[in-house]
Amino acid sequence: GDSVTQTEGQVTVSESKSLIINCTYSTTSIAYPNLFWYVRYPGEGLQLLLKVITAGQKGSSRGFEATYNKETTSFHLQKASVQESDSAVYYCALGDRSGGSNAKLTFGKGTKLSVKS
Amino acid sequence: NAGVIQTPRHKVTGKGQEATLWCEPISGHSAVFWYRQTIVQGLEFLTYFRNQAPIDDSGMPKERFSAQMPNQSHSTLKIQSTQPQDSAVYLCASSPRDWDYEQYFGPGTRLTVL
Repeated sequence: GDSVTQTEGQVTVSESKSLIINCTYSTTSIAYPNLFWYVRYPGEGLQLLLKVITAGQKGSSRGFEATYNKETTSFHLQKASVQESDSAVYYCALGDRSGGSNAKLTFGKGTKLSVKS
Repeated sequence: NAGVIQTPRHKVTGKGQEATLWCEPISGHSAVFWYRQTIVQGLEFLTYFRNQAPIDDSGMPKERFSAQMPNQSHSTLKIQSTQPQDSAVYLCASSPRDWDYEQYFGPGTRLTVL
């Protein structure tokens, strides 16, 4: 089956410092999966941050970037300079597109980012 | 656009009782998904519908759990004879195209089984 492993627990970063949240995936599918980062801000629902559906491509949104690396099966989330408003829980997710009817997402356990001023 | 609506937001049941959770997807979205979130297991897929038809229920516990989508405007997740281990946040999501995977999540229903 599919699995996603990401930096677990809580990460604390000072404002204006850089951030990286690691994500690696495993799939038994012969097709390369679609990869996503979702985010849950305090008091809000889970929402899509960025997605990449082509291996080797980079996705970006709100200053965050993630590159789909099929060799290392990784999709790390990075930001050069975090802000207090980035404090949230971040989830890496995989979508297996090998099956014609299988659209479910497999999520990592989530990483809580706290940005201190 | 109100987004995905889930009701109730919180539900407390006694062990052995039935719980029904409701989801109203975004209008025009053809796919509806149910997930369950716990601290131990994280976010787990339960089941999904496309154009109201059940497509994949591989994540549903085989006993006591059932899901339906009687019309395009709502879906229900029913848990019979609830157990303490069913306590979780149940998330509903909808998508305009299931193959695109861009899912829009509701706020969730927190189920507590005493």
